[in-house]
This record gives sequence, C-alpha cells and structure tokens, in this order.
Amino acid sequence: DTAVSQTPKYLVTQMGNDKSIKCEQNLGHDTMYWYKQDSKKFLKIMFSYNNKELIINETVPNRFSPKSPDKAHLNLHINSLELGDSAVYFCASSQGGAPTDTQYFGPGTRLTVL
Amino acid sequence: AQSVTQPDIHITVSEGASLELRCNYSYGATPYLFWYVQSPGQGLQLLLKYFSGDTLVQGIKGFEAEFKRSQSSFNLRKPSVHWSDAAEYFCAVVTDSWGKLQFGAGTQVVVTP
Repeated sequence: DTAVSQTPKYLVTQMGNDKSIKCEQNLGHDTMYWYKQDSKKFLKIMFSYNNKELIINETVPNRFSPKSPDKAHLNLHINSLELGDSAVYFCASSQGGAPTDTQYFGPGTRLTVL
Repeated sequence: AQSVTQPDIHITVSEGASLELRCNYSYGATPYLFWYVQSPGQGLQLLLKYFSGDTLVQGIKGFEAEFKRSQSSFNLRKPSVHWSDAAEYFCAVVTDSWGKLQFGAGTQVVVTP
C-alpha cells in the first residue's frame, strides 16, 4: 500500500506546454510538500501546504502553481514549460509540518522538457 | 544564511568495510538534523534524525550518526556496509517552524565486492 504516490512517473513534453503532476498520500497527514531535484541531484523545496493552506512558497517562477483540493492531495501545475524545468519532482508529506516531523517522500516524477 | 555541506561528493567502499559520511551545517543555533537515503530511481527515505539529547543517534539499516556541536557536524556511520547500501545520501537541516528541509549536495556511495 503506497504511502505517498505520484503520477505520472515519467513526463516528456515540449517547451511551452502546460503539464500537471499529481500527488496523493494515504497516511492521514496534514502537511504536504513539493521538492525539485536538479540534474546534479540538488534538492530544493518549492512549496508546502498544511490542511490545504499554503505555508511555504519558495522563490519559484509563477509558472508553477500548486493546488491542494484536499489535505490528501497536492498537485503541481506548470505553465509554459522551459528547458530548465527538466528535473525530478518529489512530493512529500508529514504529520503536522512541525520541524521534528518525519517527511515521507513519493517516488518522484521525472520531467523532461524538449 | 544557513547551509549544509557534505564535503564528499563520492565515496567508494568495500563490502564489509566501515563507512563514514560527513555533514557540516552553518547555523547560529542547533538545527534539527536529518539523514536521508535515496536508492537509484527511488524517493528519499529517512535514516535518522536528531533534535536534542543523546548526541549519538541510532537509525534504520544499522546506521548511526553523532552530533558534535563544537564542530557543527552530524556525521553518519555504518560499521559494515552491504552492497544494498549503495545509494545517494543526503544530510538535511530544518531551521524554521514549518519543517522546511534544506539539503546538502549529497554523497554518492559505491560499494565494491
């Protein structure tokens, strides 16, 4: 039973397209996150939602828009895709978003922009 | 600004040998400290974490880490590595109240027979 799942696992698309990545967690957690891992494997947080409310919004282009329809889901929509958006995007969740809470990561979505 | 440094980009170790991965942080106070492992093509899994108390922390898969305030370090160790320990290892800190993980650049561990 997958705890944090992401779809799709791979996404190949052309520059300028709009795409979405979906994330779902069945852990009953209140907080969800999006991280970006670049080609050098550097990981950086993008967004975090707690009970559907945006609480962390790092400096990312406004082409990236997270949406949380309910606390079990956090989707990432990307408009006008650029080559530099190619990366692996990880979703994560934690119980309450406290600094001591363990974050559970999904398997990642590898986005390739051609 | 806070930062996390993992000085070793790549480490090769023989199966059965000991392993130590270094992590240094830059922060005025003691941050919350974490080690995560990423197996090839997988997401990240928490190995262990430190907040306070005993400075030697035990984790999963036989890993342990020691917090040294004087050196601003949180090094990860395993006495005897297995081939399945080949992976990317990330040290991370949280310094805010919302659990924002700040990761080091990672150390790739290769295990040879």
